[in-house]
Amino acid sequence: DVKVTQSSRYLVKRTGEKVFLECVQDMDHENMFWYRQDPGLGLRLIYFSYDVKMKEKGDIPEGYSVSREKKERFSLILESASTNQTSMYLCATLSGVNTEAFFGQGTRLTVV
Amino acid sequence: AQSVTQPDIHITVSEGASLELRCNYSYGATPYLFWYVQSPGQGLQLLLKYFSGDTLVQGIKGFEAEFKRSQSSFNLRKPSVHWSDAAEYFCAVGPFGNEKLTFGTGTRLTIIP
Repeated sequence: DVKVTQSSRYLVKRTGEKVFLECVQDMDHENMFWYRQDPGLGLRLIYFSYDVKMKEKGDIPEGYSVSREKKERFSLILESASTNQTSMYLCATLSGVNTEAFFGQGTRLTVV
Repeated sequence: AQSVTQPDIHITVSEGASLELRCNYSYGATPYLFWYVQSPGQGLQLLLKYFSGDTLVQGIKGFEAEFKRSQSSFNLRKPSVHWSDAAEYFCAVGPFGNEKLTFGTGTRLTIIP
């Protein structure tokens, strides 16, 4: 089975802190994604990556950056956390065409 | 631009009753359509997907969905719900290769005894 592991289930950070959310997958998938999930808004794509060191902006990239130095790891970075970034963050992977996306369990981030 | 509309924010159904969750999509080409379920505190799990072929697709946990191109719909159904089906359900549409999946806002399902 595909396993997508997010490093933390819950995080509490202070405004202005630099925050790293880590995602690791064990199935050698090319594509990795970061979404944020908010009530009433569903899932919105922040960034995705289709290869090592490659990244593409999603629908809401402002305030975020990403890093993919190794195929299995995709990091989401909040350069200076703000309270409006309090949310559930979901990492996902998929292997290629006509396949399903596999999700991690999510990181609930609270910025105070 | 592609989009997905789930018109029902919250649905309450009695255990054993039938269920239909609505999904309408907007996409310029042949859509790839998905239904995901999210149990409380969990990530998303794929229920079923449609790429081509038979417009009635079967998924896990007894769910099925029907693709209707003329109505731009991909509604999810289950003939008899169980208490364990209480969760949030997301419809999604994507282009070939799933590079950018677009999700609906979700429908929260509550089951009453």
